Amino acid sequence: QQKVQQSPESLSVPEGGMASLNCTSSDRNFQYFWWYRQHSGEGPKALMSIFSDGDKKEGRFTAHLNKASLHVSLHIRDSQPSDSALYFCAARDYAQGLTFGLGTRVSVFP
Amino acid sequence: EAAVTQSPRNKVAVTGGKVTLSCNQTNNHNNMYWYRQDTGHGLRLIHYSYGAGSTEKGDIPDGYKASRPSQENFSLILELATPSQTSVYFCASGDAGGGQDTQYFGPGTRLLVL
Repeated sequence: QQKVQQSPESLSVPEGGMASLNCTSSDRNFQYFWWYRQHSGEGPKALMSIFSDGDKKEGRFTAHLNKASLHVSLHIRDSQPSDSALYFCAARDYAQGLTFGLGTRVSVFP
Repeated sequence: EAAVTQSPRNKVAVTGGKVTLSCNQTNNHNNMYWYRQDTGHGLRLIHYSYGAGSTEKGDIPDGYKASRPSQENFSLILELATPSQTSVYFCASGDAGGGQDTQYFGPGTRLLVL
């Protein structure tokens, strides 16, 4: 069973619209969370990290963490064609590497 | 931006052959990682290292060895390659930070085992 589950699997958003991605963990050892973005043919690139309950905003991206429910979300406002990519939620405890979800594919259409 | 490079970018190997994937980072990061990416599984951790001379098993280490001869270099070795090891492999680096370090990924190596 995936320890990090993402929804939806795919998402189509109009240019200028809002995209909302969700992530839930089943492992309470996870303390730290990241959102990564991967364009086709490239490696994943970190978008933002979130370690504390509440919201964190960086430009057009806002992440929200609720540690009690182990739920993380990512909201992309004013979506651009360059935002079309595969988005991963990743979680980590105090050691080892990251545990990734299966990803949400975002497509921004004109 | 952290710089992580991988070689080769593409590799075709035969079943039973030996394959070595190389990774280099110029950021002086202590930690380095190897992941594989497969449809339906996302990215999964194979091996990682806390510094030169150290290697640790990740979540799916069977069939793989790792080597960290220096701070900058981290290799993944498939002694006897199998078709199930056909995948895209990513190397990443990150600084030690009690689990809070962001990992920076290379461009990936696409491996096909025939």
